[in-house]
Parts: sequence; structure tokens; C-alpha cells
Amino acid sequence: AQSVTQLGSHVSVSEGALVLLRCNYSSSVPPYLFWYVQYPNQGLQLLLKYTSAATLVKGINGFEAEFKKSETSFHLTKPSAHMSDAAEYFCAVSDQAGTASKLTFGTGTRLQVTL
Amino acid sequence: KAGVTQTPRYLIKTRGQQVTLSCSPISGHRSVSWYQQTPGQGLQFLFEYFSETQRNKGNFPGRFSGRQFSNSRSEMNVSTLELGDSALYLCASSLTGPPSTEAFFGQGTRLTVV
Repeated sequence: AQSVTQLGSHVSVSEGALVLLRCNYSSSVPPYLFWYVQYPNQGLQLLLKYTSAATLVKGINGFEAEFKKSETSFHLTKPSAHMSDAAEYFCAVSDQAGTASKLTFGTGTRLQVTL
Repeated sequence: KAGVTQTPRYLIKTRGQQVTLSCSPISGHRSVSWYQQTPGQGLQFLFEYFSETQRNKGNFPGRFSGRQFSNSRSEMNVSTLELGDSALYLCASSLTGPPSTEAFFGQGTRLTVV
């Protein structure tokens, strides 16, 4: 079975600082990997996805992630944090090759951005 | 293009009752998946429907069921509600795969069982 582990349930950064949210995955098939963001009382918004094309994936709002097969990692980064980035972030892996219809999520990382 | 629409947004039910939640997928999407989100268990996959058939199922009791209509709209039903069923229920739609490289989520239905 596929799984993801997000290290750090809470991360706090200063505005303008680098954001690094960690995600490691386990998958028995070539993985599709995703990062989603959730604002309070909202659904999930897709930030970016890896589907076996380029290993460095650029997403919305200045976020990017690098797929590293040797490290089974898919960490999310943003060079400069904004106050509006404060939210909860979820890493997810597809349970079935070639489809996003059944996802396994990590436990989430709440990002706090301080002045 | 309209997104995934879930109704209602908020619901309060009494223990023992049953509830039905609705999800309208993005036009052209035939796969609809349901997830439960709770503080204790996080985001968990309930089931997926494709072309009116349940294609995948998570580890939830039989009290949780669903169906999909010919227009791809889906409903989820929970019978004999328990306090632990209080959660945010999220619906996601995607194209048939492969390639099906994105799941688009609705805003969710917040169910409170009292």
C-alpha cells in the first residue's frame, strides 16, 4: 500500500523566509504525488503535482517541489513566505498508477507565517 | 468552468439519524471520490464511483454508502449516525484515467452529530 509521511505537524517561518515542508512517500508503483493546501473551512486546492515527467515541479503561488526517487521524497518549497501562505498543507500519493481518483494523504503540516 | 459543488455546506444531525450529502462534479468528469476529514484520523478515502459503479472502497463500515447517477452527480449516505461521524466530508472529481492526473475538491460538507 502507498503511504506518505509529513515531518513536522507545525512549521513557523518569518515573512520573507524560505518555506520547506517535508514529505516522504512509499509506493509500490510509479507514484503520482501531489501537494494540496487547505484554508480554514475550505476544501483542498491543488498546489502542484508530479506525474513522472520533470522531477522539479512548479506550482501555483510560487511553490515548487522536487521529486527525489533515491530519497523517496517530495518536499515543498517556496523562496519567500507571505502572510497569505498561512494554511495547512497536505502531501498525497495516488494509490493506483495513472489515476488521481484514490489518494492517500499525509497528516498535514500547518504553516504559520509571522511578521 | 464551474468547480465541484457540495451541498449542503453545513449539517447538524442527531445520533441515530441518517444523512445524505450531495456532490456535483466538474462537467465532463466521470470519477467522483469521497473523503472524510477529522482532527484525529486526518483525510481518509471513503469510496470512488465511476460510471454509476463503485470502483474503489476504503475501510469504512457499511453504514457509509454512496451512489452515482447517470449525470455523474454523486450522493453519500451515512445511516445510524454516531458522534464519531462528525467530520468534514470532501468530494473530489477527476477525469477517467489514465491519464487522470488531478483531483479537484469541493469545499466540503461539515457534518456535526449531536
